[in-house]
Amino acid sequence: GQNIDQPTEMTATEGAIVQINCTYQTSGFNGLFWYQQHAGEAPTFLSYNVLDGLEEKGRFSSFLSRSKGYSYLLLKELQMKDSASYLCAVMDSNYQLIWGAGTKLIIKP
Amino acid sequence: DAMVIQNPRYQVTQFGKPVTLSCSQTLNHNVMYWYQQKSSQAPKLLFHYYDKDFNNEADTPDNFQSRRPNTSFCFLDIRSPGLGDAAMYLCATSASETDTQYFGPGTRLTVL
Repeated sequence: GQNIDQPTEMTATEGAIVQINCTYQTSGFNGLFWYQQHAGEAPTFLSYNVLDGLEEKGRFSSFLSRSKGYSYLLLKELQMKDSASYLCAVMDSNYQLIWGAGTKLIIKP
Repeated sequence: DAMVIQNPRYQVTQFGKPVTLSCSQTLNHNVMYWYQQKSSQAPKLLFHYYDKDFNNEADTPDNFQSRRPNTSFCFLDIRSPGLGDAAMYLCATSASETDTQYFGPGTRLTVL
């Protein structure tokens, strides 16, 4: 079966750095997406990785290792507004998005 | 700004009473998706359209139907809502089936 694993919940402090991990087992791979979802709202696109390595976009960076079936989302200089769920999704060989259940990130002052 | 719009944002219906949710887009994307998301769960794909070609997920109940009358609009019809259908319904679009999906704000459905 296809599977995406992420921690259910993480807590971090305002101004700090946090890394949210995602491991996947899918039939084929056509890219990995990270989305941010605030409570009661729709997911918003953050990043896309299809090649190994780090993609940096402002305070957010996303890393991919295809051989390890592993990705992480790195958030720097955390702000209270970063409190949200972060969803990892992998596009499989049929171009279907396989979604993780999301990691709820709690930011404390 | 190009966007995905969903109406209404909140919908209350009674058990067994048909309900229709709507989605429109100004992105001119070929693909439109309907997802169901329950609290603290991953979004679950119900079906998607590539242009006018309809693709139903194998485990989507027959109770859920969809229509796409033109490129801009897509509707989700729930013929006989049950209590278990209470959820957030998300519409998303993408330029092609391999491209990034962009979501509308969602419709939260309550079934009484």
